[in-house]
Amino acid sequence: AQSVTQLGSHVSVSEGALVLLRCNYSSSVPPYLFWYVQYPNQGLQLLLKYTTGATLVKGINGFEAEFKKSETSFHLTKPSAHMSDAAEYFCAVSGSARQLTFGSGTQLTVLP
Amino acid sequence: EAQVTQNPRYLITVTGKKLTVTCSQNMNHEYMSWYRQDPGLGLRQIYYSMNVEVTDKGDVPEGYKVSRKEKRNFPLILESPSPNQTSLYFCASSKDVSLSSYNEQFFGPGTRLTVL
Repeated sequence: AQSVTQLGSHVSVSEGALVLLRCNYSSSVPPYLFWYVQYPNQGLQLLLKYTTGATLVKGINGFEAEFKKSETSFHLTKPSAHMSDAAEYFCAVSGSARQLTFGSGTQLTVLP
Repeated sequence: EAQVTQNPRYLITVTGKKLTVTCSQNMNHEYMSWYRQDPGLGLRQIYYSMNVEVTDKGDVPEGYKVSRKEKRNFPLILESPSPNQTSLYFCASSKDVSLSSYNEQFFGPGTRLTVL
């Protein structure tokens, strides 16, 4: 069984401030971990993924995430928020590479 | 352009009236999947297909049917829709899925379904 918990359904940051979106997971096997972004009225787009190897993963649009096995976490960060980052972000886990389990999502608002 | 298409994008129907939401991909992907998205619940998988004629249940399959007669198409069928199936539905596809690798899932634009 696998599950994902995203802490904070809504996060607001000022433009230029650090973005931190939290994700904790549980998985009975070594997990694959993902962050997806959903812009209004669009489908989901992959931001980044962790499968094996380096635990700090860089994605598109300046986002990165760090896999911490001891904390079962995969938090998403970006050093400086931009207005265009406003969207909903989903963390997901796949324990078998066949089925994705998504978190409930975090709506990011960027304030001018 | 590589893409996943869904039709219709918006649908309002009444309880019990059978409907089909189509999904098509032009990337020759083996794996296809249906999700529903509800506020506060994220995306939940309904059904998935590893290849033609191979389908399996996801987390919330009750009330839905799927078929995979061709590689490119993966329709979602609601034989007797009910109001609790009002949701935003996404189709997704990926190249293949194995235990030793992961290929990105590409998502369609979504179908917003309302069942009255």
